[in-house]
Amino acid sequence: GDSVTQMEGPVTLSEEAFLTINCTYTATGYPSLFWYVQYPGEGLQLLLKATKADDKGSNKGFEATYRKETTSFHLEKGSVQVSDSAVYFCALLHRGGKLIFGQGTELSVKP
Amino acid sequence: NAGVTQTPKFRVLKTGQSMTLLCAQDMNHEYMYWYRQDPGMGLRLIHYSVGEGTTAKGEVPDGYNVSRLKKQNFLLGLESAAPSQTSVYFCASSLLAELRNEQFFGPGTRLTVL
Repeated sequence: GDSVTQMEGPVTLSEEAFLTINCTYTATGYPSLFWYVQYPGEGLQLLLKATKADDKGSNKGFEATYRKETTSFHLEKGSVQVSDSAVYFCALLHRGGKLIFGQGTELSVKP
Repeated sequence: NAGVTQTPKFRVLKTGQSMTLLCAQDMNHEYMYWYRQDPGMGLRLIHYSVGEGTTAKGEVPDGYNVSRLKKQNFLLGLESAAPSQTSVYFCASSLLAELRNEQFFGPGTRLTVL
């Protein structure tokens, strides 16, 4: 069945460091791909999405490119801030409208 | 516009007790979902609804029941709680199930079963 695999955390970075969180997927067809962010004590918020191959989603300085050839959707940010500390979830939209989530990657950014 | 709200925020149950979690959305969304979040496992779909009066099973439905009597509300019931149901529960809604449709999440309910 469809699945999403993320790099394990926690990831600890210093402020202004470069961030990459790896995400790969297994799916039939060409699903839409998402990154959600969960700040401490809150629900999930959509960070960015891409609906077809080679699409680049971007928001708040974060970017991810839908790579069909490598079945990947890695999240990147050039310069992280303390306020980016959160748990990040990669997800794919299964046929029928159901989201399949990765296990989540905790990011901690130190001043 | 409150978005998706969940009641209660926290709850502690004893094994065998029952409870109902309430989810409400004010965005006139057709689809609603219940997920559970466990450490290292991401979110897993429990049940979902594609419209008022409909429900369907997700990935981990055992031990839970749901009802969607009104379009804006989606209830999750635990008839006889077990410690394995200790988790954080999230409700979500979306306008449609089409590929571009975003799911909006509530703030979560933290449930502990002793």
